[in-house]
Amino acid sequence: GAVVSQHPSWVICKSGTSVKIECRSLDFQATTMFWYRQFPKQSLMLMATSNEGSKATYEQGVEKDKFLINHASLTLSTLTVTSAHPEDSSFYICSARVPQRQGLVEQYFGPGTRLTVT
Amino acid sequence: QKEVEQDPGPLSVPEGAIVSLNCTYSNSAFQYFMWYRQYSRKGPELLMYTYSSGNKEDGRFTAQVDKSSKYISLFIRDSQPSDSATYLCAMSKGQNFVFGPGTRLSVLP
Repeated sequence: GAVVSQHPSWVICKSGTSVKIECRSLDFQATTMFWYRQFPKQSLMLMATSNEGSKATYEQGVEKDKFLINHASLTLSTLTVTSAHPEDSSFYICSARVPQRQGLVEQYFGPGTRLTVT
Repeated sequence: QKEVEQDPGPLSVPEGAIVSLNCTYSNSAFQYFMWYRQYSRKGPELLMYTYSSGNKEDGRFTAQVDKSSKYISLFIRDSQPSDSATYLCAMSKGQNFVFGPGTRLSVLP
């Protein structure tokens, strides 16, 4: 299957600072990537869809000015959490979809980034 | 009604048991049905997928889809402690991709 990497895997930052998380597709090109957030023992929550060369599409309730997404190339999308607060502490996971034959779309996930805001 | 429903568990079974994980859905247009496994503090990994109705077997795992009932299942035979994880079902039609909330499974040695 396709490989998606994320960096860093774990980051601790102080309240009020900004944190950037990188998501890379290692062996394929991804015109679209997805950012999810997951709180402990809860399900994945889609935050936004990242489109290469254009603005991201945010889900309802997600602040686009707080969670800045940039999809600069076909293999890299970044999520920047601006002015982070303790309530932003969560597990952030990116994913990419790879179209296959007969309409199948396979979705592959990165290993996730654990953000702790103190 | 949620588009995809899944019993959140937690589900605890002894080692060697047969595990049955299930999802129901409401959108009859879904064509592909997938199961992902997510270990704690890791990203989900694709276990297997099935197209339309029927069964698919891969080692100790069997995925079953009943489109007439809008019901899918994942069976794990001879469960192992290493199977302890959260299992998420997912279904899609084209780019419309929906995940279930996941079932937490613990296999006790």
